[in-house]
Amino acid sequence: DSGVTQTPKHLITATGQRVTLRCSPRSGDLSVYWYQQSLDQGLQFLIQYYNGEERAKGNILERFSAQQFPDLHSELNLSSLELGDSALYFCASSVSSDQGNEQFFGPGTRLTVL
Amino acid sequence: GENVEQHPSTLSVQEGDSAVIKCTYSDSASNYFPWYKQELGKRPQLIIDIRSNVGEKKDQRIAVTLNKTAKHFSLHITETQPEDSAVYFCAASRSGGGADGLTFGKGTHLIIQP
Repeated sequence: DSGVTQTPKHLITATGQRVTLRCSPRSGDLSVYWYQQSLDQGLQFLIQYYNGEERAKGNILERFSAQQFPDLHSELNLSSLELGDSALYFCASSVSSDQGNEQFFGPGTRLTVL
Repeated sequence: GENVEQHPSTLSVQEGDSAVIKCTYSDSASNYFPWYKQELGKRPQLIIDIRSNVGEKKDQRIAVTLNKTAKHFSLHITETQPEDSAVYFCAASRSGGGADGLTFGKGTHLIIQP
């Protein structure tokens, strides 16, 4: 157990819908990262938040957005869902904003878009 | 942006033999290179990492080597055991502000034959 929690574990929804994925970082970690893992694209960095502020942006679609709240938990919002958004979404956390530190991954949320 | 190539995609070795997984990266500014192990249906877990000021790092049966000139780094697992069977990912990042997040290779499925 990494200490990073993610809810829900599984999510099944329809095209065009909107969902919210939730992540709580390890105690003391200020950075939260979101990754998407799919068979064709592999593991892709989406976005990083540090202490409530956006820190770095990767291959995140405009239909996706994220935020980090004062209690440091983070939410990833996915809207206008398409079949291709079906994937495993991981959240990771680390102690600092520096991406040269170990990132601890949560168990992931498996999203299925039908 | 950074591009990480990983080979081979599948590696089958006899139990007790060594396994080597190789990665190349494109961004000469990358200076942090972690390796993650992911078992089926589970989260990625860091097994070893190396920074650009070090050429080699060992942790028991696992070692990583880095050749900055060639932009190449490798994972070496000796005396392989059945529990080493998993998918291994290499990654690269720039430590420090403004980094774009971890860029992962496509993964290597390591199979340990009894």
